[in-house]
Amino acid sequence: GENVEQHPSTLSVQEGDSAVIKCTYSDSASNYFPWYKQELGKRPQLIIDIRSNVGEKKDQRIAVTLNKTAKHFSLHITETQPEDSAVYFCAASQGNSGYALNFGKGTSLLVTP
Amino acid sequence: GAVVSQHPSWVICKSGTSVKIECRSLDFQATTMFWYRQFPKQSLMLMATSNEGSKATYEQGVEKDKFLINHASLTLSTLTVTSAHPEDSSFYICSAYSADYSPLHFGNGTRLTVT
Repeated sequence: GENVEQHPSTLSVQEGDSAVIKCTYSDSASNYFPWYKQELGKRPQLIIDIRSNVGEKKDQRIAVTLNKTAKHFSLHITETQPEDSAVYFCAASQGNSGYALNFGKGTSLLVTP
Repeated sequence: GAVVSQHPSWVICKSGTSVKIECRSLDFQATTMFWYRQFPKQSLMLMATSNEGSKATYEQGVEKDKFLINHASLTLSTLTVTSAHPEDSSFYICSAYSADYSPLHFGNGTRLTVT
């Protein structure tokens, strides 16, 4: 089955700096890669996703890059703000299987003022 | 659109009792629903995939007789934790899939505490 590795497990940055979280996956059949933000005790919220037919996608301060050859994808947050502090999960799935997601272990991001 | 409602949001039960958790898609029909479990400070682990009108598919290591899943309609799936034990205490969260409303949408989750 799919195995998603995520690094780092914790990340602390100063407000205004950039944060990068990296994930690798094992199943070459995976073609959908979402990123979720989860605050304590709440459901994961989709923040951005990318499909295998594109290499990069950007939404304001958030961007995701995908390298299918190397089987890795990354989340980039620029101009970080304290409210960006949360746990971020990457995931991978095969889009035609009803979107059963395989999650990475998560990255706890702390943005200090 | 694509709202997923999960109930209850939290529940405390005694060891040996059963607890039912409901997952509803409010404004779309979900052909597939997924049940995840999340222990504190850990990731979401897929427990089972539930397709309307058929038996759920359980992930390896998940006891199907302990975690009963019913997906009787296109808008409702239920997870029943039978004979609960303290080690079943966790955050259970469902998600629903519809080709018209991709990507996946999560319910609010249920915090189960077994005493």
